[in-house]
Amino acid sequence: RKEVEQDPGPFNVPEGATVAFNCTYSNSASQSFFWYRQDCRKEPKLLMSVYSSGNEDGRFTAQLNRASQYISLLIRDSKLSDSATYLCVVKRAGTYKYIFGTGTRLKVLA
Amino acid sequence: AAGVIQSPRHLIKEKRETATLKCYPIPRHDTVYWYQQGPGQDPQFLISFYEKMQSDKGSIPDRFSAQQFSDYHSELNMSSLELGDSALYFCASSLKQRSNEKLFFGSGTQLSVL
Repeated sequence: RKEVEQDPGPFNVPEGATVAFNCTYSNSASQSFFWYRQDCRKEPKLLMSVYSSGNEDGRFTAQLNRASQYISLLIRDSKLSDSATYLCVVKRAGTYKYIFGTGTRLKVLA
Repeated sequence: AAGVIQSPRHLIKEKRETATLKCYPIPRHDTVYWYQQGPGQDPQFLISFYEKMQSDKGSIPDRFSAQQFSDYHSELNMSSLELGDSALYFCASSLKQRSNEKLFFGSGTQLSVL
């Protein structure tokens, strides 16, 4: 079992839809959490950090549930340009390791 | 703003050859990470350096080695290349002192082993 797991998708949604992704992690020592976005054959780009109280950045909302060991990403009013792979990233306390999930593919359809 | 710089962008090698990938972190960043991403795979952590010392090790083969130099740039040396080493290699950097330190990635080096 991978340390960080995501549903690979693809999630095919129409423009304007709201879509949510979940990510589960198995190591309770995990300390920091992030969502990255990756376009095909490009580098991962930081979308947002995930804070315990939940946080929002425009159309994007991230939540952390430490008790159940999962994080989520909600995208409202999807745009065609949101089509990408969304990677959940977890950093363990006291290490320099950032562990990536397998990614969830999103396709926003016109 | 300056980003993470990787070179070369593309590299073609034959089996059993060696390759060296270079990474220049964002100025003032003190930690460098190397990741390998195969086709359709998630990035796999290879190794990291903090203040020129190896700080953590992941699934890096013994045929690979890396180091961080006094100017904080890093090089990943790969020897006895195999077909399975063909992948995108990303370097990332961060500033350790910041809590919730974020990783910033370079554009990657596409290595093809023929």
